[in-house]
Amino acid sequence: ETGVTQSPTHLIKTRGQQVTLRCSSQSGHNTVSWYQQALGQGPQFIFQYYREEENGRGNFPPRFSGLQFPNYSSELDVNALELDDSALYLCASSWGQGNQETQYFGPGTRLLVL
Amino acid sequence: GEDVEQSLFLSVREGDSSVINCTYTDSSSTYLYWYKQEPGAGLQLLTYIFSNMDMKQDQRLTVLLNKKDKHLSLRIADTQTGDSAIYFCAESTLDMGRRALTFGSGTRLQVQP
Repeated sequence: ETGVTQSPTHLIKTRGQQVTLRCSSQSGHNTVSWYQQALGQGPQFIFQYYREEENGRGNFPPRFSGLQFPNYSSELDVNALELDDSALYLCASSWGQGNQETQYFGPGTRLLVL
Repeated sequence: GEDVEQSLFLSVREGDSSVINCTYTDSSSTYLYWYKQEPGAGLQLLTYIFSNMDMKQDQRLTVLLNKKDKHLSLRIADTQTGDSAIYFCAESTLDMGRRALTFGSGTRLQVQP
């Protein structure tokens, strides 16, 4: 157990809808990173939040957005859902910025877009 | 650019050693990680190695790093059926103050009794 929790565990949406996924970071961690893992693939970096600010973004369109709260929990919002957004969404928490930031992953939210 | 490659599948017998290989391209990587993913689950951190090290051993796990060839391997001694899972290699690079992981596509390890 990493102490990183995510909700919901599973979600079914239809194309065009919006979704919000939630992540609680491990105690003491102030950085949350979000990844998308399509079936049969490795996780792909979406973005990272550090002290409530977006701190880097991967190759994902602006309809993927997020927030980090003062308690360092985080949300991932996806607007105008597309079929290809069906994936496992993983959040990972870590501490600080620096030379070593081991990331600990939550169990993920599995999103199916119909 | 960043790219991490792994072989897709490895099958071993219980009690044998497993060796999972990975190559990466970003020479600025400071840390390299191995994660394990069981069906329907998130990623479990197994071990990591700093880029100035050649080897790290942690119980049944041995990580070897050849920085010249950008080659990383994970050896699991005395492989058990509970080791059956997908293993991901990941490199960590610091870019504009943020550290993101770049993952390979994963190696599925099947352990036969």
